Amino acid sequence: AQSVTQLDSQVPVFEEAPVELRCNYSSSVSVYLFWYVQYPNQGLQLLLKYLSGSTLVKGINGFEAEFNKSQTSFHLRKPSVHISDTAEYFCAVSDRRGGADGLTFGKGTHLIIQP
Amino acid sequence: KAGVTQTPRYLIKTRGQQVTLSCSPISGHRSVSWYQQTPGQGLQFLFEYFSETQRNKGNFPGRFSGRQFSNSRSEMNVSTLELGDSALYLCASSSPDWDRGGDTQYFGPGTRLTVL
Repeated sequence: AQSVTQLDSQVPVFEEAPVELRCNYSSSVSVYLFWYVQYPNQGLQLLLKYLSGSTLVKGINGFEAEFNKSQTSFHLRKPSVHISDTAEYFCAVSDRRGGADGLTFGKGTHLIIQP
Repeated sequence: KAGVTQTPRYLIKTRGQQVTLSCSPISGHRSVSWYQQTPGQGLQFLFEYFSETQRNKGNFPGRFSGRQFSNSRSEMNVSTLELGDSALYLCASSSPDWDRGGDTQYFGPGTRLTVL
């Protein structure tokens, strides 16, 4: 079994400031890690993913995340946020057993950009 | 390439009724998964279908069921609706590499079900 913890339910940030959204996971097996974004009244859009290889992963809209196996973390960062980044962000994990158990999601972090 | 489509986008039902939701995956994707999203429980995995077979199921009662057709389109059905079934139901399809333990699920816009 695996679990995902997003430590902050809400993160307010001023426009053009940097932001970090935290994600920790637990799993007894190797995992794949994902960040998704959800805008109001929409489905989930993939921001980035870690499957293997380099631990620093770059995604869309200027976001990046770093996989840290020893700390079981996959924090999401952006150096300068824009008002359009206001949304709900979900960290998700999948084990490597063919994805048969589906994605396990964190509770989400609401990113609020203040002008 | 067209994305994942879900119909209908919005649905209002009353307690005790049943409902069927539809999902068309991205062309070439053979795996379809369903998730329920509620404010209280967040995103929870319902089940996954691959090549017309249910490959795995989350922790939901038997009132929730699904099926997949030969063209990979999928439907999910909820019978005897309860107020707590009000949620956003999301469908996701994944590329052929998913069955080998990799790659990504792509989500549709969801169906918003309201049970009165």
